Amino acid sequence: QKEVEQDPGPLSVPEGAIVSLNCTYSNSAFQYFMWYRQYSRKGPELLMYTYSSGNKEDGRFTAQVDKSSKYISLFIRDSQPSDSATYLCAMGAVGNEKLTFGTGTRLTIIP
Amino acid sequence: KAGVTQTPRYLIKTRGQQVTLSCSPISGHRSVSWYQQTPGQGLQFLFEYFSETQRNKGNFPGRFSGRQFSNSRSEMNVSTLELGDSALYLCASSLGLATSTDTQYFGPGTRLTVL
Repeated sequence: QKEVEQDPGPLSVPEGAIVSLNCTYSNSAFQYFMWYRQYSRKGPELLMYTYSSGNKEDGRFTAQVDKSSKYISLFIRDSQPSDSATYLCAMGAVGNEKLTFGTGTRLTIIP
Repeated sequence: KAGVTQTPRYLIKTRGQQVTLSCSPISGHRSVSWYQQTPGQGLQFLFEYFSETQRNKGNFPGRFSGRQFSNSRSEMNVSTLELGDSALYLCASSLGLATSTDTQYFGPGTRLTVL
């Protein structure tokens, strides 16, 4: 079993819909949680960064962490065609110098 | 400020050959990490270099090696290529060590195809 599980999709939703992307993990040492967005033929770029449990909002994006369930989510409100990309979750532990990534979910927003 | 650059962007090699990939980090960044990205395994950490020293290594065979120069530029080498080495190789740079709290900036990647 992988340390981080992420549904690869693909996921297609109409423009304006709310998108929910999720990851589960097994390592209880993870305390830092990130979401990266990767456009086709580009490298990943950091979207959201959260520490421990709770919610964090940035514009149309909300990151949610539930450490008791080992479950993290990214919500995208009022989705736009420009949100079409692959979304990767990533996690790290204090004192660990590397991140563990999910396999990514491919998202398409249909105009 | 220029981003992370990787060369070449695309490579086609045959089994048994070797390949060298190059990465130039963002100016002032001292850490360079390398990742392999495939559809089935996602992003997997290869190694990290900081101030010309390898600081961390993932679970890849010894055919994968790297180095970092005094100007922080880094190269990654894969010897005796196998079909399974076909992947997107990503380089990421950060100011300090690439810990969970330090933002990594990724380059566009080098797409390697092994025939």
